[in-house]
Amino acid sequence: EPEVTQTPSHQVTQMGQEVILRCVPISNHLYFYWYRQILGQKVEFLVSFYNNEISEKSEIFDDQFSVERPDGSNFTLKIRSTKLEDSAMYFCASRLLGDRRETQYFGPGTRLLVL
Amino acid sequence: GDSVTQMEGPVTLSEEAFLTINCTYTATGYPSLFWYVQYPGEGLQLLLKATKADDKGSNKGFEATYRKETTSFHLEKGSVQVSDSAVYFCALDPNNNDMRFGAGTRLTVKP
Repeated sequence: EPEVTQTPSHQVTQMGQEVILRCVPISNHLYFYWYRQILGQKVEFLVSFYNNEISEKSEIFDDQFSVERPDGSNFTLKIRSTKLEDSAMYFCASRLLGDRRETQYFGPGTRLLVL
Repeated sequence: GDSVTQMEGPVTLSEEAFLTINCTYTATGYPSLFWYVQYPGEGLQLLLKATKADDKGSNKGFEATYRKETTSFHLEKGSVQVSDSAVYFCALDPNNNDMRFGAGTRLTVKP
């Protein structure tokens, strides 16, 4: 069964460093998402992406964050200058269509630790 | 705004016990409702979903019915197993973009 994959599974970085989290969505899906889950808290929406542009973003997704689909398969989340509070599990998701009846399929997550 | 509230737990049950995890939602439109499960060390997996009122989602012995009159989508299973130990998230999709998740309920099933 097709699945969303994410790399790396874990990343440790120093405050102020840039990180890039990578995702490979399911191949025929058209809509892509990033979410994060701070330890012990709920999963929060960051951004949605369709047709090579951001379609919606949350208040969390400030100027430090950016997303890109650099080729036909990867979908990346960049954090320009990490802060301690960026430590979280980051989930990528993809969906075939932009219909709320369609399931969003989630990757296994990247656990980011900012020291 | 649109949101879900779920029973926070943790919930500890013995094997073969009946499980209910409550989830209620607030929405202005007609969202789709989902239950996701997160097993230890893994990502979020769709457990079941319902896309309109009175729909029942079911999978692996779990069920949930989309009840518009009570704005609820409670998760139930008649007989839990040790392998069901995980964190369960209720979620809604209000607008084709961002999903709204509940806080998650940790279930531990003891043999």
